[in-house]
Amino acid sequence: DIVMTQSPESLAVSLGERATVNCKSSQSVLYSSNNKNYLAWYQQKPGQPPKLLISWASTRESGVPDRFSGSGSGTDFTLTISGLQAEDVAVYYCQQYYTTPPGTFGQGTKVEIK
Amino acid sequence: QVQLVESGGGVVQPGRSLRLSCAASGFTFSSYGLHWVRQAPGKGLEWVAVISYDGSNEYYADSVKGRFTISRDNSKNTLYLQMNSLRAEDTAVYYCAKDRSGDYVLVSWGQGTLVTVSS
Repeated sequence: DIVMTQSPESLAVSLGERATVNCKSSQSVLYSSNNKNYLAWYQQKPGQPPKLLISWASTRESGVPDRFSGSGSGTDFTLTISGLQAEDVAVYYCQQYYTTPPGTFGQGTKVEIK
Repeated sequence: QVQLVESGGGVVQPGRSLRLSCAASGFTFSSYGLHWVRQAPGKGLEWVAVISYDGSNEYYADSVKGRFTISRDNSKNTLYLQMNSLRAEDTAVYYCAKDRSGDYVLVSWGQGTLVTVSS
């Protein structure tokens, strides 16, 4: 199975500043035939279920604020929150769907306000 | 809008069984694959099982294979998870989730139901 490793485990960022979450896969999740990265990002706020933010490594879901952006390719990916808002406090998970089953998740990164 | 409502959680002794249900609405139930994902207290997300839109294919995480069975009733718009031989490490919130298009991207999630395995 592909192993997803996120870093850092947690980070504290001041309101309005940038938060960066990293995700590394144990093998490439880039499918060469369509040049797409099979990588999704989810947000889980306290006491709530996860919510899909981004798929294909960089495509935001409808309604997701544009301060959330995804980047990267192959094995290294980044979720950036540009201008952290109080409502962004959450745990963020990456997930690969290149090799399924399973669609493995990273261990999560907790984003807090400094 | 899409609604997924899990039920059936509770406290159960090790070795016993429990069946979870997930009632769905707001989409064409019989057209989508459905998943169970669990989250142990204070831990991350663990994918558990998936069933295809028509119930013809099922896949399981190694940690539950042979003990859990996923099923669906398209006439009732309901997903199930039969959990047998429960262990303490199965203690978690169990979420049902709707697949986007068979690619394991989980576009909608229920609120979850807590299963506690304890003597």
